[in-house]
Amino acid sequence: AQSVTQLGSHVSVSEGALVLLRCNYSSSVPPYLFWYVQYPNKGLQLLLKYTSAATLVKGINGFEAEFKKSETSFHLTKPSAHMSDAAEYFCAVSPYGNNRLAFGKGNQVVVIP
Amino acid sequence: DADVTQTPRNRITKTGKRIMLECSQTKGHDRMYWYRQDPGLGLRLIYYSFDVKDINKGEISDGYSVSRQAQAKFSLSLESAIPNQTALYFCATSDNRGGTEAFFGQGTRLTVV
Repeated sequence: AQSVTQLGSHVSVSEGALVLLRCNYSSSVPPYLFWYVQYPNKGLQLLLKYTSAATLVKGINGFEAEFKKSETSFHLTKPSAHMSDAAEYFCAVSPYGNNRLAFGKGNQVVVIP
Repeated sequence: DADVTQTPRNRITKTGKRIMLECSQTKGHDRMYWYRQDPGLGLRLIYYSFDVKDINKGEISDGYSVSRQAQAKFSLSLESAIPNQTALYFCATSDNRGGTEAFFGQGTRLTVV
């Protein structure tokens, strides 16, 4: 079974500072990996995804993530936080050939002016 | 109009009542999903359907049932609502290709009193 670990339910970051959200997965086969963002009172929106092409994936709003098989990680970064980045972020995994997503518990990001 | 539409957006119901949450999509996708979101727990899969004649239980199906009325419609029912079913419910769709993203509705906030 696939699972995702996101540590630190709440993450505070200063405006202009690096955003780093960690995601580790367990999967018996190479998975597909996703980061979704949820703004207040909204549904989930895809930030980026890894599907076995380039290991460094660029997404929307300046976010990127790097797939590291040896570390079973898919950490999300953004060089400079904006106030508009305040949201909840979810890492998700789906096994090869199957679109059922298993989600991490999420990181609530607060941006401090 | 949204690609994935959930109704109602908010609902308060009493313990023991039957309630149905509805989802419709204009994406033309075969695959549809129901997830439940609880604070600090991320999203958990309740049921999923890969086509009109295919219904599968997810990780937390007890107390829920679903109906796939058409390719575009997938409803979730709580036969006898209980307070611990108070949560945010999301419908999602995806196409059949592995690694493609899921598209989410805006969510239904359900409160069982």
